[in-house]
Amino acid sequence: SAVISQKPSRDICQRGTSLTIQCQVDSQVTMMFWYRQQPGQSLTLIATANQGSEATYESGFVIDKFPISRPNLTFSTLTVSNMSPEDSSIYLCSVGLAGETQYFGPGTRLLVL
Amino acid sequence: QQQVKQSPQSLIVQKGGISIINCAYENTAFDYFPWYQQFPGKGPALLIAIRPDVSEKKEGRFTISFNKSAKQFSLHIMDSQPGDSATYFCAAPALGYNKLIFGAGTRLAVHP
Repeated sequence: SAVISQKPSRDICQRGTSLTIQCQVDSQVTMMFWYRQQPGQSLTLIATANQGSEATYESGFVIDKFPISRPNLTFSTLTVSNMSPEDSSIYLCSVGLAGETQYFGPGTRLLVL
Repeated sequence: QQQVKQSPQSLIVQKGGISIINCAYENTAFDYFPWYQQFPGKGPALLIAIRPDVSEKKEGRFTISFNKSAKQFSLHIMDSQPGDSATYFCAAPALGYNKLIFGAGTRLAVHP
């Protein structure tokens, strides 16, 4: 498995501002993913963070709103830009190991006022 | 769009009882079906997973049953305990992509 940490663990932000969420893994991994989990809902994949290249975004998510960086094999950031109350959610980082197995970080709980 | 259908949405079981959660999937890239357990305020944790070479996998009180012909798999929690109260998600590999598709989740409450 992998030990994954996220910062911040939670935040309260004003609409129109941006928040950058960090994800750190204790080992080098090829696949890193960012998910959104709205209250009481399932996990929705935002994008796959690729080391050394642009992230691959899922339908309904765009780079201007959720820019992602992946500077190395242990770290990634997700920015939630120009936030609105609809962006209030839990944002989760996960890593893929041994093929399809994924492990999740503790999540970042975001409230936008 | 590829989906994984999970049921029931919520489940109440008495302590010591059996909890059963079911999932049905569409075509997948390969056969690998994990279950995740999520407690409030925590990220999902991998609970147990099954691969195509077996029809059943057991780890302690948790068992996955897999029916390839019916494209269904299920999680059984034997001797359910209040500490098992959590939300459970099934998942399946997406066709053509190195990613997982998650079910809607089942909120399990085990009453003492």
